[in-house]
Amino acid sequence: DGGITQSPKYLFRKEGQNVTLSCEQNLNHDAMYWYRQDPGQGLRLIYYSQIVNDFQKGDIAEGYSVSREKKESFPLTVTSAQKNPTAFYLCASSIGAGGVTQYFGPGTRLTVL
Amino acid sequence: ELKVEQNPLFLSMQEGKNYTIYCNYSTTSDRLYWYRQDPGKSLESLFVLLSNGAVKQEGRLMASLDTKARLSTLHITAAVHDLSATYFCAVDMGYSGAGSYQLTFGKGTKLSVIP
Repeated sequence: DGGITQSPKYLFRKEGQNVTLSCEQNLNHDAMYWYRQDPGQGLRLIYYSQIVNDFQKGDIAEGYSVSREKKESFPLTVTSAQKNPTAFYLCASSIGAGGVTQYFGPGTRLTVL
Repeated sequence: ELKVEQNPLFLSMQEGKNYTIYCNYSTTSDRLYWYRQDPGKSLESLFVLLSNGAVKQEGRLMASLDTKARLSTLHITAAVHDLSATYFCAVDMGYSGAGSYQLTFGKGTKLSVIP
């Protein structure tokens, strides 16, 4: 089955800790994205990557970091510098640029204790 | 900065009724997407609208795009309970100059269909 997987589904973090959210796709898509969703809000773009070893900041990149060492993987690290990290995190991928649908993974719900 | 506004944000409607959700955006774009999200779940792609006048229909949902008015509509015909969900529109900003495209999402319309 082709698709996007995210793990873990639920993640609890203590203040001051860094955590890494996994995103893997087997759709052979070039582009991958990370979004954050807060209750009652739309999605906001954190980072995106168009190609391996390259990525760009989105609207709310502060306190987050990413890597794209393989085409199928785009992990997101939430660092201790992110002051309010409790949110629902969604990873997406698309074939390429412009006019193409982004497909979303099931999401990771991060809670800071 | 691109802004995307949906209205209404909350919609409660009876089964069998018709209604329209509106999505306005602030800058020129000819690419608009509609997604559905069930509670606690991910986003499911519904429609991709890529040109002025585009109309797409799937079951009881029909989406249209008017790029001159910077407006898309999602029309619900004879609503059923299974359509209860949050619906998002998203606008493609086009080539951003950084080698990729970005979507800007509206805040979503939470639809509740009451038997």
